[in-house]
Amino acid sequence: DSGVTQTPKHLITATGQRVTLRCSPRSGDLSVYWYQQSLDQGLQFLIQYYNGEERAKGNILERFSAQQFPDLHSELNLSSLELGDSALYFCASSVGGENAGQYFGPGTRLTVT
Amino acid sequence: AQSVAQPEDQVNVAEGNPLTVKCTYSVSGNPYLFWYVQYPNRGLQFLLKYITGDNLVKGSYGFEAEFNKSQTSFHLKKPSALVSDSALYFCAVRDRGNTGFQKLVFGTGTRLLVSP
Repeated sequence: DSGVTQTPKHLITATGQRVTLRCSPRSGDLSVYWYQQSLDQGLQFLIQYYNGEERAKGNILERFSAQQFPDLHSELNLSSLELGDSALYFCASSVGGENAGQYFGPGTRLTVT
Repeated sequence: AQSVAQPEDQVNVAEGNPLTVKCTYSVSGNPYLFWYVQYPNRGLQFLLKYITGDNLVKGSYGFEAEFNKSQTSFHLKKPSALVSDSALYFCAVRDRGNTGFQKLVFGTGTRLLVSP
């Protein structure tokens, strides 16, 4: 158990809908990262937050957004969902230092029908 | 941009035999390299990392990795494979990006199958 929690574990929704994925980092970790794992794209970095501020953006679509709250939990919002958004979404956290490792949550499996 | 390559989609090995999962990297500057493992329907678990120092890095579950600067490789190894090692293995490199904060760039993954 990494100490990173993600809810829900599974999500099934229809095209055009909007969903919110939630992540609670390990106690004491200030950085939260979101990754998407799909069959065709592999594991890709989406976005990073550090202590409530956005720090880095990767291959995140404009239909997707995220935020990190004062209690350091983070939410990833996916809107106008398409079939191709079906994937496993991982959250990872770290203390944020130069050499800090990232610890991954169990993921949320999103299925868009 | 930093990148890693995992040239094998799948590696098959018999239980008790040594295993190697290959990874090569392409970076500017010093490489910060990682190995993660993903079991079915589970998240990624950290195995080990190379930041600096000894070229042989020891990690969890008896795994180790050998950093080779001249060959730009960071192969994952285990002296004696277990059936329970069967999983998907990812090599990753830290990319500091424009803001200086790290993100991980992952390889495509290698599926390890250990037969009894």
